[in-house]
Amino acid sequence: GAVVSQHPSWVICKSGTSVKIECRSLDFQATTMFWYRQFPKQSLMLMATSNEGSKATYEQGVEKDKFLINHASLTLSTLTVTSAHPEDSSFYICSALPRSSNLNTGELFFGEGSRLTVL
Amino acid sequence: RKEVEQDPGPFNVPEGATVAFNCTYSNSASQSFFWYRQDCRKEPKLLMSVYSSGNEDGRFTAQLNRASQYISLLIRDSKLSDSATYLCVVNLSNSGYALNFGKGTSLLVTP
Repeated sequence: GAVVSQHPSWVICKSGTSVKIECRSLDFQATTMFWYRQFPKQSLMLMATSNEGSKATYEQGVEKDKFLINHASLTLSTLTVTSAHPEDSSFYICSALPRSSNLNTGELFFGEGSRLTVL
Repeated sequence: RKEVEQDPGPFNVPEGATVAFNCTYSNSASQSFFWYRQDCRKEPKLLMSVYSSGNEDGRFTAQLNRASQYISLLIRDSKLSDSATYLCVVNLSNSGYALNFGKGTSLLVTP
Protein backbone atom coordinates (compact mmCIF):
# COMPACT_ATOMS: atom_id res chain seq x y z
CA GLY A 1 0.00 0.00 0.00
CA ALA A 2 0.91 3.64 -0.21
CA VAL A 3 3.37 4.98 2.34
CA VAL A 4 3.08 8.17 4.33
CA SER A 5 6.01 9.14 6.48
CA GLN A 6 5.71 11.49 9.40
CA HIS A 7 8.61 13.06 11.25
CA PRO A 8 9.47 13.35 14.07
CA SER A 9 7.77 10.42 15.79
CA TRP A 10 8.39 11.85 19.21
CA VAL A 11 9.17 15.35 20.32
CA ILE A 12 9.53 16.90 23.73
CA CYS A 13 9.83 20.65 23.95
CA LYS A 14 9.66 23.47 26.43
CA SER A 15 6.61 25.64 26.74
CA GLY A 16 6.73 28.58 24.37
CA THR A 17 8.78 26.94 21.66
CA SER A 18 7.58 26.04 18.18
CA VAL A 19 7.56 22.54 16.77
CA LYS A 20 7.37 21.52 13.13
CA ILE A 21 5.99 18.17 12.04
CA GLU A 22 6.47 16.92 8.50
CA CYS A 23 4.19 14.62 6.56
CA ARG A 24 5.44 13.09 3.32
CA SER A 25 3.78 10.83 0.82
CA LEU A 26 6.64 8.63 -0.30
CA ASP A 27 5.32 6.83 -3.34
CA PHE A 28 2.35 8.86 -4.51
CA GLN A 29 1.25 12.42 -5.04
CA ALA A 30 -1.27 13.86 -2.64
CA THR A 31 -3.19 16.97 -3.51
CA THR A 32 -4.97 16.76 -0.17
CA MET A 33 -3.57 16.01 3.23
CA PHE A 34 -5.40 16.05 6.54
CA TRP A 35 -4.08 16.81 9.99
CA TYR A 36 -5.68 15.12 12.98
CA ARG A 37 -5.09 15.32 16.69
CA GLN A 38 -5.84 12.53 19.12
CA PHE A 39 -5.90 12.91 22.89
CA PRO A 40 -5.70 9.77 25.07
CA LYS A 41 -8.79 7.59 24.79
CA GLN A 42 -10.36 10.06 22.39
CA SER A 43 -11.20 9.91 18.72
CA LEU A 44 -9.13 11.46 16.00
CA MET A 45 -10.24 15.05 15.60
CA LEU A 46 -9.72 16.74 12.28
CA MET A 47 -7.77 19.95 12.69
CA ALA A 48 -7.38 21.08 9.12
CA THR A 49 -7.42 20.07 5.49
CA SER A 50 -4.38 20.98 3.49
CA ASN A 51 -4.52 21.40 -0.27
CA GLU A 52 -1.38 21.71 -2.30
CA GLY A 53 -0.69 25.25 -3.37
CA SER A 54 -3.51 26.85 -1.41
CA LYS A 55 -4.35 27.85 2.13
CA ALA A 56 -5.42 25.18 4.56
CA THR A 57 -9.01 24.91 5.70
CA TYR A 58 -9.27 24.81 9.47
CA GLU A 59 -11.98 23.16 11.50
CA GLN A 60 -14.00 25.22 13.92
CA GLY A 61 -12.13 25.90 17.13
CA VAL A 62 -8.67 25.33 15.65
CA GLU A 63 -6.52 28.45 15.68
CA LYS A 64 -4.89 28.90 12.31
CA ASP A 65 -2.25 31.23 13.72
CA LYS A 66 -1.24 28.65 16.27
CA PHE A 67 -1.24 25.64 13.98
CA LEU A 68 0.47 26.73 10.80
CA ILE A 69 0.05 24.41 7.86
CA ASN A 70 2.04 24.52 4.68
CA HIS A 71 1.48 22.20 1.72
CA ALA A 72 4.07 23.43 -0.70
CA SER A 73 4.38 20.33 -2.84
CA LEU A 74 2.38 17.28 -3.83
CA THR A 75 4.36 15.13 -1.43
CA LEU A 76 4.91 17.31 1.63
CA SER A 77 2.75 19.06 4.18
CA THR A 78 4.02 20.55 7.41
CA LEU A 79 2.28 21.44 10.65
CA THR A 80 3.96 23.94 12.94
CA VAL A 81 2.69 24.24 16.48
CA THR A 82 3.69 27.76 17.44
CA SER A 83 4.36 28.78 21.04
CA ALA A 84 3.43 25.32 22.26
CA HIS A 85 1.90 24.89 25.69
CA PRO A 86 1.32 21.77 27.80
CA GLU A 87 -2.31 21.56 26.65
CA ASP A 88 -1.01 21.11 23.09
CA SER A 89 0.56 17.81 24.12
CA SER A 90 -1.13 15.22 21.95
CA PHE A 91 -0.72 12.68 19.17
CA TYR A 92 -0.73 14.47 15.83
CA ILE A 93 -1.44 12.34 12.76
CA CYS A 94 -1.41 13.30 9.15
CA SER A 95 -3.13 11.48 6.35
CA ALA A 96 -2.88 11.80 2.62
CA LEU A 97 -5.33 11.25 -0.17
CA PRO A 98 -3.72 9.96 -3.36
CA ARG A 99 -4.25 12.25 -6.27
CA SER A 100 -6.09 9.56 -8.19
CA SER A 101 -8.39 8.54 -5.36
CA ASN A 102 -11.33 9.82 -3.38
CA LEU A 103 -12.69 9.32 0.11
CA ASN A 104 -15.47 7.01 -1.02
CA THR A 105 -13.02 4.16 -1.27
CA GLY A 106 -11.42 4.80 2.10
CA GLU A 107 -8.02 5.13 0.50
CA LEU A 108 -6.72 7.49 3.11
CA PHE A 109 -3.20 6.67 4.19
CA PHE A 110 -1.94 7.74 7.55
CA GLY A 111 1.47 8.71 8.78
CA GLU A 112 2.84 7.00 11.85
CA GLY A 113 1.92 9.97 14.00
CA SER A 114 3.94 12.40 16.05
CA ARG A 115 3.67 12.39 19.81
CA LEU A 116 4.22 15.86 21.17
CA THR A 117 4.93 16.50 24.82
CA VAL A 118 5.21 20.10 25.95
CA LEU A 119 6.83 20.59 29.32
CA ARG B 1 -24.62 14.69 20.05
CA LYS B 2 -21.42 13.22 18.65
CA GLU B 3 -21.44 12.49 14.94
CA VAL B 4 -20.13 8.96 15.28
CA GLU B 5 -20.75 6.99 18.45
CA GLN B 6 -19.30 3.70 19.55
CA ASP B 7 -19.30 1.64 22.71
CA PRO B 8 -15.74 2.15 23.97
CA GLY B 9 -15.59 -1.28 25.57
CA PRO B 10 -13.24 -2.84 26.41
CA PHE B 11 -14.43 -6.12 25.02
CA ASN B 12 -12.47 -8.99 26.53
CA VAL B 13 -13.03 -12.24 24.64
CA PRO B 14 -11.26 -15.60 24.51
CA GLU B 15 -9.52 -16.78 21.39
CA GLY B 16 -11.94 -18.28 18.93
CA ALA B 17 -14.90 -16.24 20.11
CA THR B 18 -17.16 -14.20 17.90
CA VAL B 19 -17.49 -10.54 18.78
CA ALA B 20 -19.60 -7.74 17.34
CA PHE B 21 -19.15 -3.99 17.48
CA ASN B 22 -21.79 -1.42 16.78
CA CYS B 23 -21.66 2.17 15.69
CA THR B 24 -24.26 4.85 15.09
CA TYR B 25 -23.91 8.04 13.11
CA SER B 26 -25.98 11.17 13.40
CA ASN B 27 -25.92 12.66 9.94
CA SER B 28 -28.33 10.96 7.56
CA ALA B 29 -26.47 12.54 4.63
CA SER B 30 -23.40 10.44 5.34
CA GLN B 31 -22.22 8.76 2.20
CA SER B 32 -19.53 6.25 2.91
CA PHE B 33 -18.51 4.16 5.86
CA PHE B 34 -15.43 2.33 7.01
CA TRP B 35 -13.91 0.37 9.82
CA TYR B 36 -10.34 1.22 10.73
CA ARG B 37 -8.09 -0.57 13.14
CA GLN B 38 -5.73 1.27 15.45
CA ASP B 39 -3.08 -0.45 17.53
CA CYS B 40 -1.82 1.20 20.68
CA ARG B 41 0.15 4.37 19.92
CA LYS B 42 0.01 3.68 16.20
CA GLU B 43 -1.74 5.25 13.26
CA PRO B 44 -5.15 3.97 12.08
CA LYS B 45 -5.24 1.54 9.20
CA LEU B 46 -8.17 0.74 6.97
CA LEU B 47 -9.73 -2.59 7.83
CA MET B 48 -12.62 -2.55 5.42
CA SER B 49 -15.20 -0.39 3.74
CA VAL B 50 -18.85 -0.94 4.60
CA TYR B 51 -21.35 -1.35 1.79
CA SER B 52 -25.12 -1.16 1.91
CA SER B 53 -25.48 -4.80 0.96
CA GLY B 54 -23.08 -5.89 3.66
CA ASN B 55 -19.65 -7.27 2.92
CA GLU B 56 -17.28 -9.87 4.19
CA ASP B 57 -13.50 -10.13 4.23
CA GLY B 58 -12.32 -13.37 5.71
CA ARG B 59 -13.31 -13.45 9.37
CA PHE B 60 -14.67 -9.91 9.26
CA THR B 61 -18.20 -8.98 8.25
CA ALA B 62 -19.49 -5.43 8.03
CA GLN B 63 -23.12 -4.38 7.85
CA LEU B 64 -24.79 -1.04 7.21
CA ASN B 65 -28.34 -0.06 8.06
CA ARG B 66 -29.02 3.35 6.57
CA ALA B 67 -32.54 3.57 7.95
CA SER B 68 -31.27 3.16 11.50
CA GLN B 69 -27.97 4.92 10.80
CA TYR B 70 -26.16 1.97 12.23
CA ILE B 71 -22.99 0.12 11.26
CA SER B 72 -21.67 -3.12 12.64
CA LEU B 73 -18.51 -5.20 12.51
CA LEU B 74 -18.48 -8.89 13.29
CA ILE B 75 -15.24 -10.74 13.95
CA ARG B 76 -15.39 -14.53 13.89
CA ASP B 77 -12.83 -16.92 15.33
CA SER B 78 -10.98 -14.15 17.17
CA LYS B 79 -7.20 -14.24 17.15
CA LEU B 80 -4.82 -12.75 19.68
CA SER B 81 -3.62 -10.44 16.92
CA ASP B 82 -7.10 -8.97 16.60
CA SER B 83 -6.53 -7.10 19.87
CA ALA B 84 -6.73 -3.44 18.95
CA THR B 85 -9.09 -0.50 18.89
CA TYR B 86 -11.64 -0.55 16.09
CA LEU B 87 -12.71 2.82 14.75
CA CYS B 88 -15.99 3.45 13.02
CA VAL B 89 -15.47 6.07 10.35
CA VAL B 90 -17.99 8.03 8.34
CA ASN B 91 -17.58 10.30 5.37
CA LEU B 92 -20.24 12.96 5.05
CA SER B 93 -19.91 13.81 1.44
CA ASN B 94 -18.85 12.40 -1.87
CA SER B 95 -17.10 15.63 -2.67
CA GLY B 96 -13.99 14.83 -0.71
CA TYR B 97 -14.58 15.91 2.84
CA ALA B 98 -12.41 14.37 5.48
CA LEU B 99 -13.45 11.43 7.57
CA ASN B 100 -15.23 11.57 10.93
CA PHE B 101 -13.92 9.06 13.43
CA GLY B 102 -15.64 7.43 16.35
CA LYS B 103 -13.71 7.10 19.61
CA GLY B 104 -13.16 3.45 18.93
CA THR B 105 -14.04 0.19 20.57
CA SER B 106 -11.25 -1.58 22.39
CA LEU B 107 -10.92 -5.34 21.88
CA LEU B 108 -8.69 -7.63 23.90
CA VAL B 109 -8.49 -11.24 22.82
CA THR B 110 -7.11 -13.50 25.51
CA PRO B 111 -5.54 -16.97 25.27
